[in-house]
Amino acid sequence: EIVMTQSPATLSVSPGERATLSCRASQSVSNNLAWYQQKPGQAPRLLIYGSSTRATGIPARFSGSGSGTDFTLTISSLQSEDFAVYYCQQYNNWPPYSFGQGTKLEIK
Amino acid sequence: EVQLVESGGGLVQPGGSLRLSCAASGFTFSNAWMNWVRQAPGKGLEWVGRLKSKAGGGTADYAAPVKGRFTISRDDSQTTLYLQMNSLKAEDTAVYYCVAIVSGTPADPYFDCWGQGTLVTVSS
Repeated sequence: EIVMTQSPATLSVSPGERATLSCRASQSVSNNLAWYQQKPGQAPRLLIYGSSTRATGIPARFSGSGSGTDFTLTISSLQSEDFAVYYCQQYNNWPPYSFGQGTKLEIK
Repeated sequence: EVQLVESGGGLVQPGGSLRLSCAASGFTFSNAWMNWVRQAPGKGLEWVGRLKSKAGGGTADYAAPVKGRFTISRDDSQTTLYLQMNSLKAEDTAVYYCVAIVSGTPADPYFDCWGQGTLVTVSS
């Protein structure tokens, strides 16, 4: 089973600044990596798939990069609605589809 | 509009059973590979299981913690997905999300459509 590890667990950033979230796989997942955003009391929402392709309706300030075992989600110029928990997920070797433990992005 | 609506959650005693339903609309349900994902209170996301479309083979796969206790099924005529949960344990307490692979493909199975979730509490 592939283990996904996200860092940091919590990231404090001021509105308008850039946030960089990391995700590492225990073995290569090629570019079969997705990012999800979850706000309190809501279901997760797909942000990025294929490591770098934005899902429909996702603003351009969200970008993903990486391949193999190391991936990054970057949010440029943070807006108030971006403060949430972010999860990465691999879908290269399944089942199971494994998620990272999440990064909480909070207002500094 | 693509929509998934879960129902059937509630309080159940340890060792009991519960069946969750997920009503789908806005996409060709019979073609979609469907999943259940759960989230324990204050915790992260955990994939529970997946059911392929009939055209894709119709088979199901499960996460190790639920294998042998949970069963996923579908009624394509009613565009509904089910999760039958037996021998429930306290650690099964979670919000259960129905997830559809709509824009993705079997080779590219990202989770692009999520229901709002239904809470299952296993407690005496």
